[in-house]
Amino acid sequence: ETGVTQTPRHLVMGMTNKKSLKCEQHLGHNAMYWYKQSAKKPLELMFVYSLEERVENNSVPSRFSPECPNSSHLFLHLHTLQPEDSALYLCASSQDEASNTEAFFGQGTRLTVV
Amino acid sequence: GQNIDQPTEMTATEGAIVQINCTYQTSGFNGLFWYQQHAGEAPTFLSYNVLDGLEEKGRFSSFLSRSKGYSYLLLKELQMKDSASYLCAVRDRNYQLIWGAGTKLIIKP
Repeated sequence: ETGVTQTPRHLVMGMTNKKSLKCEQHLGHNAMYWYKQSAKKPLELMFVYSLEERVENNSVPSRFSPECPNSSHLFLHLHTLQPEDSALYLCASSQDEASNTEAFFGQGTRLTVV
Repeated sequence: GQNIDQPTEMTATEGAIVQINCTYQTSGFNGLFWYQQHAGEAPTFLSYNVLDGLEEKGRFSSFLSRSKGYSYLLLKELQMKDSASYLCAVRDRNYQLIWGAGTKLIIKP
């Protein structure tokens, strides 16, 4: 248990579906992140939120839409995804966005797009 | 471009020692992290180096040479539970984390 909780753990969705991934942290951290992890590839940073404001959007397609309603919760809304979007989606948090403290990760959502 | 290189896979024997190397080329340097990730689980923090030298933490040690753009993670007295992927990540000048693809470590009895 790292203090970061993600739901659901597994998700199978069709290309026309709309779904949301949820992340929650009660570590008192100010920064939250969404990463995509594909097999044998480096972690890809998707979005960064600092104090509930988006500070980074790494050229992510608009079919991925993040939402950060407060400092403890982060969502990733998904719609009209493609099969190549199948991956492990990891949420993480850290004390601050621009610091040398480590990030704490959730266990991820294994997403399969059919 | 920015790049982190680490071996894709390594195999070692229970009770032995293994060294996992990481080389990096990044725009600036603000620290290097090692994480462990068991299959289907969250990456968990192992170590952080920002100055040259060796940081020891129990059975695990991490070394950094900034002039060479090089780090290694040393695991001693290997146990079966050490079978996992080990991720190297560097913070660049903008404090963005640049990740390697990870090294899958297989421990054999």
